Amino acid sequence: NAGVTQTPKFQVLKTGQSMTLQCAQDMNHEYMSWYRQDPGMGLRLIHYSVGAGITDQGEVPNGYNVSRSTTEDFPLRLLSAAPSQTSVYFCASSYQDRGNSPLHFGNGTRLTVT
Amino acid sequence: DAKTTQPNSMESNEEEPVHLPCNHSTISGTDYIHWYRQLPSQGPEYVIHGLTSNVNNRMASLAIAEDRKSSTLILHRATLRDAAVYYCILRDGSGNTGKLIFGQGTTLQVKP
Repeated sequence: NAGVTQTPKFQVLKTGQSMTLQCAQDMNHEYMSWYRQDPGMGLRLIHYSVGAGITDQGEVPNGYNVSRSTTEDFPLRLLSAAPSQTSVYFCASSYQDRGNSPLHFGNGTRLTVT
Repeated sequence: DAKTTQPNSMESNEEEPVHLPCNHSTISGTDYIHWYRQLPSQGPEYVIHGLTSNVNNRMASLAIAEDRKSSTLILHRATLRDAAVYYCILRDGSGNTGKLIFGQGTTLQVKP
């Protein structure tokens, strides 16, 4: 199993450009989520999904869109990138949206917006 | 959402045990306690989780207070590779956990 795969690993954007960060898992996990991590900070939740067709906002959703059309994929879209979105983005998944389900994280996408 | 509080940083010597505390005074009866760690330049990785009883695995032990308002992650013999940020979070066992919030975690330094 590949686990949680994030692409790309690195990306540089100019202000105003759009892009999609990809996240895929091959573990048939129901729950998926996106976090951002700024230098020296903890993880902040952007959006999450408890199953295909269901998404909800986290702590810092502004400027980001998500969709969950399949169980495997949970892409994060930046419609108009801003320098404040420079960060490392982590995708995480778990088998169920329940307390006894550990989270599995991807290796992150490092995004720089100039 | 139930919250956790952890010390910002801790130090340990190599090959000595490390006890990382976490307070969760507003924990509900169905909340599981999870621990994750993040090595430099990597994504977080799962360490251990538990509900009421103490738990052991190959990475660490989790000691849960009798009133469940606090817990301690125990690394039995710290190595340099254990230097990381350790996060303690709560996840509702009854479902609909949805919004999992991570705090700043505890940065563990291991001295040779």
